[in-house]
Amino acid sequence: DSGVTQTPKHLITATGQRVTLRCSPRSGDLSVYWYQQSLDQGLQFLIQYYNGEERAKGNILERFSAQQFPDLHSELNLSSLELGDSALYFCASSVGVSSEAFFGQGTRLTVV
Amino acid sequence: SQKIEQNSEALNIQEGKTATLTCNYTNYSPAYLQWYRQDPGRGPVFLLLIRENEKEKRKERLKVTFDTTLKQSLFHITASQPADSATYLCALYQAGTALIFGKGTTLSVSS
Repeated sequence: DSGVTQTPKHLITATGQRVTLRCSPRSGDLSVYWYQQSLDQGLQFLIQYYNGEERAKGNILERFSAQQFPDLHSELNLSSLELGDSALYFCASSVGVSSEAFFGQGTRLTVV
Repeated sequence: SQKIEQNSEALNIQEGKTATLTCNYTNYSPAYLQWYRQDPGRGPVFLLLIRENEKEKRKERLKVTFDTTLKQSLFHITASQPADSATYLCALYQAGTALIFGKGTTLSVSS
């Protein structure tokens, strides 16, 4: 158990809908990362927060947004969903901005 | 463009042999490089971190080397076991970005 909790584990939704994925980092970790993993793309970095502030941005679509709250949990919002958004979404946390990352078990999103 | 390439998508070896996985990068100047293990349907698990000023790091049967001139890291598993079968990911951190991952190499160890 990495100590990082992601909910829900599975999500099935229709195209055009909006979903929210939630992540609780390990106790004491200030940095949260979001990644998308699909079969042919590997782990794609989406966005990183550190202590409530956006720290780095990857190839995150405009339809996607995220935030980190004062209690350090984070949410990833995906809107106007398309079939191609179906993937595993991972959250990871670390103590600092550049230390080893601990991953949650992921949320498997299926868009039908 | 920036790239992280892991030598092959799949590597098959026999139990007891040494597995060597390669990670090459271009147009990055990483402060350090990490290796992770990922099992199907699960999140990656951290294995080792090596900094730019370190040549080699060991942990039990694992060894990582980092050559910033060649822009390459090698990951070795000695005395490999079937339980080592998994996908191994290299990741690098460069100031101004976050942790960026390669696509991984899937290792299969047969008994």
